[in-house]
Amino acid sequence: GAVVSQHPSRVICKSGTSVKIECRSLDFQATTMFWYRQFPKQSLMLMATSNEGSKATYEQGVEKDKFLINHASLTLSTLTVTSAHPEDSSFYICSARDRRQGASNYGYTFGSGTRLTVV
Amino acid sequence: AQSVTQLDSQVPVFEEAPVELRCNYSSSVSVYLFWYVQYPNQGLQLLLKYLSGSTLVKSINGFEAEFNKSQTSFHLRKPSVHISDTAEYFCAVSEASGTYKYIFGTGTRLKVLA
Repeated sequence: GAVVSQHPSRVICKSGTSVKIECRSLDFQATTMFWYRQFPKQSLMLMATSNEGSKATYEQGVEKDKFLINHASLTLSTLTVTSAHPEDSSFYICSARDRRQGASNYGYTFGSGTRLTVV
Repeated sequence: AQSVTQLDSQVPVFEEAPVELRCNYSSSVSVYLFWYVQYPNQGLQLLLKYLSGSTLVKSINGFEAEFNKSQTSFHLRKPSVHISDTAEYFCAVSEASGTYKYIFGTGTRLKVLA
């Protein structure tokens, strides 16, 4: 089945530095990728939606200058947390929509997540 | 706009007992409904989905959910749980046409006890 590879699985960084998280669709082309943030024992909150070759659409309250999203190809999307601070520590998960789904909006494939800890 | 409510944050149940995880949604348009399972420090895996047709949908590992439009519910059930079913379960909804966004509930932690 469809697989989305997300790296790194864990990262610890110092406050003020930037961290890049990659999401790759391994055996399909992803027209759309979604980035979520999950706080401990809470649900997934959609941060942004990215379509290949265009700018990401951010949800209300998400700082686009802090969470840079790039979707340069049909198989790769990246999320860069710039000038990270301890409050950015969280679990970040991506999901991808297969190009072959056409107009359907179901059955997205999720990455395994990245646990970011900012110290 | 849509919203999803999972009233039970935790559900402890003994092995081989039945379980029901509740999900209610709110929407002014037609929706698709999903259940996802998340194991510790992992991403989400699709368990089952309702798109159209039969209101009872089943997964390969014994879970089933029934779409009840009048009660705006999509409860997840399993007649006999295993230790390996211990995980976090998320109900999600998306518009049947349009934005492709998923709205997730807050999750229910199922803990199966020996």
